[in-house]
Amino acid sequence: DVKVTQSSRYLVKRTGEKVFLECVQDMDHENMFWYRQDPGLGLRLIYFSYDVKMKEKGDIPEGYSVSREKKERFSLILESASTNQTSMYLCASSLPRVSTYEQYFGPGTRLTVT
Amino acid sequence: SQQGEEDPQALSIQEGENATMNCSYKTSINNLQWYRQNSGRGLVHLILIRSNEREKHSGRLRVTLDTSKKSSSLLITASRAADTASYFCATDSRILTGGGNKLTFGTGTQLKVEL
Repeated sequence: DVKVTQSSRYLVKRTGEKVFLECVQDMDHENMFWYRQDPGLGLRLIYFSYDVKMKEKGDIPEGYSVSREKKERFSLILESASTNQTSMYLCASSLPRVSTYEQYFGPGTRLTVT
Repeated sequence: SQQGEEDPQALSIQEGENATMNCSYKTSINNLQWYRQNSGRGLVHLILIRSNEREKHSGRLRVTLDTSKKSSSLLITASRAADTASYFCATDSRILTGGGNKLTFGTGTQLKVEL
């Protein structure tokens, strides 16, 4: 079974803090994704990575950065956390097949910024 | 704007009944996927239907796709309390650098199955 793990289930940080969210997958997937999920808005893509050190912006990258130094690990960084970044953050991974593939999700990190 | 919009937003049924959820989207797609999310957890892939398919079955799940209407439906037959979850459709909208498709998720349908 594919396993995607996230470093924390719940996280509380203060405004202005630098926040690191870690994601690790054990299936040697090339693609990794970071989403945020908010009520009424569904999942929105923040960043994705298709290989080590390779990344591309998603739909809402402002206020976030990412790092992928190893294939299995994809980190989301909030440079200076703000209250509007309070959300559920979901990491996912997938193979790079073009037409038929699924994304495997981690359990999520619920981040509260106070 | 959201590519996928689910309807209804919330659905409450009795155990044993069928549950139908609908998804509408706006642009052409290669495939459409349905995911389930249990409360406060990650999403789990349920089923994928390609754009050249009209219907697909997997256990108690039946998915239909009408590309002319840009809509899909997910039917769960003989529902169980364990089916209580949120259900999301996801459409692929473009090919990503390096391969793979960018998925756009809808806002979801919250299904509650009562005993």
